[in-house]
Amino acid sequence: GQQVMQIPQYQHVQEGEDFTTYCNSSTTLSNIQWYKQRPGGHPVFLIQLVKSGEVKKQKRLTFQFGEAKKNSSLHITATQTTDVGTYFCVLLAAGNKLTFGGGTRVLVKP
Amino acid sequence: GAGVSQSPSNKVTEKGKDVELRCDPISGHTALYWYRQRLGQGLEFLIYFQGNSAPDKSGLPSDRFSAERTGESVSTLTIQRTQQEDSAVYLCASSLVGTGGGANVLTFGAGSRLTVL
Repeated sequence: GQQVMQIPQYQHVQEGEDFTTYCNSSTTLSNIQWYKQRPGGHPVFLIQLVKSGEVKKQKRLTFQFGEAKKNSSLHITATQTTDVGTYFCVLLAAGNKLTFGGGTRVLVKP
Repeated sequence: GAGVSQSPSNKVTEKGKDVELRCDPISGHTALYWYRQRLGQGLEFLIYFQGNSAPDKSGLPSDRFSAERTGESVSTLTIQRTQQEDSAVYLCASSLVGTGGGANVLTFGAGSRLTVL
C-alpha cells in the first residue's frame, strides 16, 4: 500500500535556529496533511495541502507541497520550546484511509 | 458532542483478559478511525469506519482484535485474551468525509492507555 517516509526521525534544535522536516512518498498524492503531537498528548491537525507546489504559512511554520505531489516539507524558523513534539505527515489513501508517516521527533535545546 | 471522547482513559488488565475501549466521535462525523501508538512510536492504523461499515480492516493485528460501530456514532474496540504486546495508547479520531472544508481532517480523542500485566 501507499507508504510515506519522514526524515529525519529525530531533530535536536538549538532554540532560535531553523529546521526542516521532510515527507516523501513513492506515489503521487491527492493531498497531504500535517499534525503535531505534544509529549503526552494526542495529534492535532495543523494544515492540509492540496495543490501542486502549494506553500502555506502559519506564523513561524511554512508548509510546502512538491510540484510532483510526491513530497512535502515543514520548515520552522526561530525554533521555540513550544515547538517540542512530534510532527507527522498524513496521506489520504484510497478508500479514505488516512495513513501516518513515522514522524519527526523535535527536541529543543534552550 | 464538542469533541471526541474516549473511555476508559486508563486500563490496567491481566494477561488473558478481554478489554473494551469506547469512542464517542463528534456528532455528524461519518468517518471514525482507530490507531494504536506504542510508547515512543508512531501511529499504527487499525481500522476505519464509514458510517457503520468498516471497508478496511487490514490494520487489525490479529483475530483477537475486533471493532464495531453502531448508529453511525459510538465505536468499541475489543481486544480478547490480551497479551503484553497489546500495551499501548489506543487513539480514536473522527472526521467529515467529502471534498468540502474540514473534510478528512482528523479530530482525535485523548486516547485510552492500556497496560497488560
